[in-house]
Amino acid sequence: GAVVSQHPSWVICKSGTSVKIECRSLDFQATTMFWYRQFPKQSLMLMATSNEGSKATYEQGVEKDKFLINHASLTLSTLTVTSAHPEDSSFYICSALLAGGSDTQYFGPGTRLTVL
Amino acid sequence: AQKITQTQPGMFVQEKEAVTLDCTYDTSDPSYGLFWYKQPSSGEMIFLIYQGSYDQQNATEGRYSLNFQKARKSANLVISASQLGDSAMYFCAMREGPRAAGNKLTFGGGTRVLVKP
Repeated sequence: GAVVSQHPSWVICKSGTSVKIECRSLDFQATTMFWYRQFPKQSLMLMATSNEGSKATYEQGVEKDKFLINHASLTLSTLTVTSAHPEDSSFYICSALLAGGSDTQYFGPGTRLTVL
Repeated sequence: AQKITQTQPGMFVQEKEAVTLDCTYDTSDPSYGLFWYKQPSSGEMIFLIYQGSYDQQNATEGRYSLNFQKARKSANLVISASQLGDSAMYFCAMREGPRAAGNKLTFGGGTRVLVKP
């Protein structure tokens, strides 16, 4: 149980284009999902908290107009990197909160974004 | 100050032996949760074990156990009978406040474990 999928697993795009990443909880409903960014050999950095049916909460320093988050259903959150630039190249990983008990975040497999 | 500190950037362990990964945390909130995740080279984050601040007993999950020393603010992960598949990056994480307070996690810098045959 507690499986989270993420699509695509990798994407290469040209500078200036937008890229959408999907995060799905496959066997549970998640009112809260999280989006992280991870640079090589570094830890995870929380970008934003996504709540179903409401606006996402962004961490300090994260541009909300650049990283658009939509949590339209209890099983799907999307992250759109708008007007991507090479500095946005990174590993993006989402998690879904399984509420109850320990309230554990279960993570997707991640998306590697390369902006040329 | 760092909220989660993992002092071991990397370590080797012999197959079938036990290994302890250190994690210390800093919080003034009496209610918190501590998590360990494993990140293999594929990149996915795999949940291993959880310890709540009010839990009286140390958490165990199969070959994983958490040595929770509340007064010292440490939550070390012990992996028993190491296997080659245990080679990965391991992250300690903390949720501050009660579960209803947002559930954000703060991660440590990670420890890379390499299991030698």
